[in-house]
Amino acid sequence: QQPVQSPQAVILREGEDAVINCSSSKALYSVHWYRQKHGEAPVFLMILLKGGEQKGHEKISASFNEKKQQSSLYLTASQLSYSGTYFCGTERSNDYKLSFGAGTTVTVRA
Amino acid sequence: DAGITQSPRYKITETGRQVTLMCHQTWSHSYMFWYRQDLGHGLRLIYYSAAADITDKGEVPDGYVVSRSKTENFPLTLESATRSQTSVYFCASSVTGGGYEQYFGPGTRLTVT
Repeated sequence: QQPVQSPQAVILREGEDAVINCSSSKALYSVHWYRQKHGEAPVFLMILLKGGEQKGHEKISASFNEKKQQSSLYLTASQLSYSGTYFCGTERSNDYKLSFGAGTTVTVRA
Repeated sequence: DAGITQSPRYKITETGRQVTLMCHQTWSHSYMFWYRQDLGHGLRLIYYSAAADITDKGEVPDGYVVSRSKTENFPLTLESATRSQTSVYFCASSVTGGGYEQYFGPGTRLTVT
C-alpha cells in the first residue's frame, strides 16, 4: 500500500521551516526519505527504523511515530538547495520492498 | 567510482517491440531493484533481486521480465512494449535488504509510440 504524503507542494522563502508528513495504514518496519531534483535520480536522505531515534541530516531531520505509523520530515532554515521533490518510502516487516508516496514538491525562493 | 549506471539513458521504441534496459553496479551490492516513475504515482517497484539468480515480483510486474546471472547486472526487458509502459525507469541497489538505503541510477526515459 502506497503511503500518503502531505502536503503535495509547499513554497518557502529562504530561512523558513516546513514539515512533510508520511502516513501508512499498515505497521511499518522502516521509513526512508529521499529527495529528487528535476531530471535527476532520487538521493537518499535518511532512514528511520522501528524503535529507532530521530535522525538528522544537516538542517533536515525526521521522526517516526510508531503508534500512528507516521513519519515527519522537518526542513529547518531552508536553503535554495532544499528545492526538489521529497519522497517517503515505507518498508513493512523487514521485507526490503519499499512503497513510495506520491511526493511533496518543495520550492525555496530567495 | 562508477557506482550504478543505466543504459540507454533515453529510448524511443514502437508498440510491440522488445526492449531491454540495462543496469550495472560496481559496489557488489546484494540487492537490486527496478522502479518506474510516473507523474502522480511516485516510484513503483517492478522487480527486485536479493542475489544472483534470485528475483521476485514487486508491485507492478506485468509485461516485464528480469534476470540476474551476475551480481553486478540486472537487466529489465519489456517483452512487447505498450504505450502504458512509457515512463522513467530507475534501477537501484542496496548493500543488503531490510532497513538499508537504496542507491539509484540516473534513470532511463522510455517512450513507446
